[in-house]
Amino acid sequence: DVKVTQSSRYLVKRTGEKVFLECVQDMDHENMFWYRQDPGLGLRLIYFSYDVKMKEKGDIPEGYSVSREKKERFSLILESASTNQTSMYLCASIPPVTGDNEQFFGPGTRLTVL
Amino acid sequence: ELKVEQNPLFLSMQEGKNYTIYCNYSTTSDRLYWYRQDPGKSLESLFVLLSNGAVKQEGRLMASLDTKARLSTLHITAAVHDLSATYFCAVVRDFGNEKLTFGTGTRLTIIP
Repeated sequence: DVKVTQSSRYLVKRTGEKVFLECVQDMDHENMFWYRQDPGLGLRLIYFSYDVKMKEKGDIPEGYSVSREKKERFSLILESASTNQTSMYLCASIPPVTGDNEQFFGPGTRLTVL
Repeated sequence: ELKVEQNPLFLSMQEGKNYTIYCNYSTTSDRLYWYRQDPGKSLESLFVLLSNGAVKQEGRLMASLDTKARLSTLHITAAVHDLSATYFCAVVRDFGNEKLTFGTGTRLTIIP
């Protein structure tokens, strides 16, 4: 079974704090993604990574950075959290060589910034 | 820029009825995914449609893809309460990196 886990289900932080969201997959996946989900906007891509230490900006990277030091772990960093970053954050990854490149999602982290 | 539109955004239907959710996209792509999301939960993969004319069925759900019309449909047959969820379509826009563009979702409520 494909397994993508995220470090926290719920998180409450204060404005200005540095926030780390972690995503771990246990199946040697190469491509990993971070999305945020907001009502009426669907899922929007923040950053993705296609290999260790490789990353690319998605559609809404402002205010975020990422780190991928090991293949199984992809971290999303909010350098200085703001209230407009209150959202559901979803991590996804693609197993190697499946043919259809289906993305598998983690359980999500609901972040509230006060 | 690839845009993906779903309609309807909200759908309330009675058990036993049939209905269709539509997913239109604006630029060429030949791979489309359907996902289901229950409230407070993550996304669960339903279907992967890989080519023009592809049709897949699982239980009361059937998905199809028409790449010429840039349209995918998710058809629900004889709806049951367990199908209440939000359904998303997502289209591949970058085949090298597998970047997806998601629709805004259709919140489906099945009324007993």
